[in-house]
Formats: sequence, structure tokens, C-alpha cells
Amino acid sequence: QVQLVQSGVEVKRPGASVTLSCKTSGYPFINHPITWVRQAPGQGLEWVGWIKPSSGATNCAQNVLGRVTMTTDISTKTAFMELRTLTSDDTAVYYCAREVIGVTNGDFWGQGSLVIVSS
Amino acid sequence: VLTQSPLSSPVTIGQPASISCSSSQSLVNSAGNTYLSWLQQRPGQPPRLLIYRISNRFSGVPDRFSGSGAGTDFTLKISRVEAEDVGVYYCTQSTHFPYTFGQGTKLEIK
Repeated sequence: QVQLVQSGVEVKRPGASVTLSCKTSGYPFINHPITWVRQAPGQGLEWVGWIKPSSGATNCAQNVLGRVTMTTDISTKTAFMELRTLTSDDTAVYYCAREVIGVTNGDFWGQGSLVIVSS
Repeated sequence: VLTQSPLSSPVTIGQPASISCSSSQSLVNSAGNTYLSWLQQRPGQPPRLLIYRISNRFSGVPDRFSGSGAGTDFTLKISRVEAEDVGVYYCTQSTHFPYTFGQGTKLEIK
């Protein structure tokens, strides 16, 4: 069955960087883009970015442009997202989701990774 | 921008519920396809896909959930609300970058 398993809780100081992972299984990894979405405490969903494993093409939200790097490791079927120069506004649960091209931006979702940015 | 209404919906079990999602631009792409989905997020859980491409129920989703709409205006309907439907519902579009989400509609039981 399709599964996306994310890395755990991260606590970072302002200005630091964090790298999150999203390990997938149960489907052909290269065929499906991965979307990253975050949710600040008590808030709604916010799209962060997108990566297409087959080409490495990426796209991201304006408010993280220049601070985010999304990559994939096809051999381990894992997607990564690095976010740099963290501020308290980056405190959130970060989700990865599998996109089905031509269908939907997230049919299966990871359990989420909590990132806390605090001094 | 996706705008949902209402933002909160108290509903009696067994009664219907309806959520609207309005887009500031057409969600139809150059090939004539519309990538509008609905997600449910139960408390403490990740989002779950309910409906894709306006009106298609995802695998395992009860048939009391239905989606409709076209262009810029879309609706999620629950024919008879059950206790397990409590949560926040989001519309989301993947027709245009950046992908966007509505603000969410909180479904509560009266």
C-alpha cells in the first residue's frame, strides 16, 4: 500500500536550517511529484512547494523562495526539503503528499513533521 | 485565492451540510481540465483526500460526500452528517502554480 513516512520533531534556533525527509513506499516513486504543505499551530494549510522526481523540477511558494531546497533520492524513494534562515513564522507541522498528475495534488499524505523555531 | 464559506458549520447529525469554495480565477486549464479537490482533516490527523477533479470520490470515501461546480465556484455536500465527519474541510487547487488552499471550514455537531 502507498505510504509516506516523515521524519520526526525538530527544534531549531532562529536563523538555523532544517532538513525534513519523506520516505515513500508502495508505488513507483519516479512517477509522482511530491508536494510539501505546512500548517502553523491552529491555522490552515499552506502550500510550500513541489518537486517532480523524474526531472528534479521544482516550484515553491513566494514566501519561501530562496530559502527552500527540495530534492529527491530515487534509490531510497525519499524526498527531502531543506528550509534555511528559519524564523518563528516557520513553526508548523510540515506534510508531504503524493501528487497524481492530472488528478490531484495530494491523494496520500505523510503523518507530518513538527518544526519548532524558538530561541 | 480560494475563499470558503461558511468558515464554521454547526450541523445536526443526520442533516445535510454544504461548503462553498470560490476561486478568484478560473481553475480550468488550457486543456479544459479543472484540478479542484476537497480534503478533510480530523483533529490531530493529516489531511485526507475526499474528492478530486471537482466531483470524483477518492477510494474508500462514503457516498454521502459529493462535489460539484465548474470554473470558479465549487461545492462540497454531505448528504447526512455523521459524528465521524467532524473536522476541518479544505478545498485546494492544483491547476495553477502556486497551488492554494481555502481557509478551511470547521464542521461541528450541534
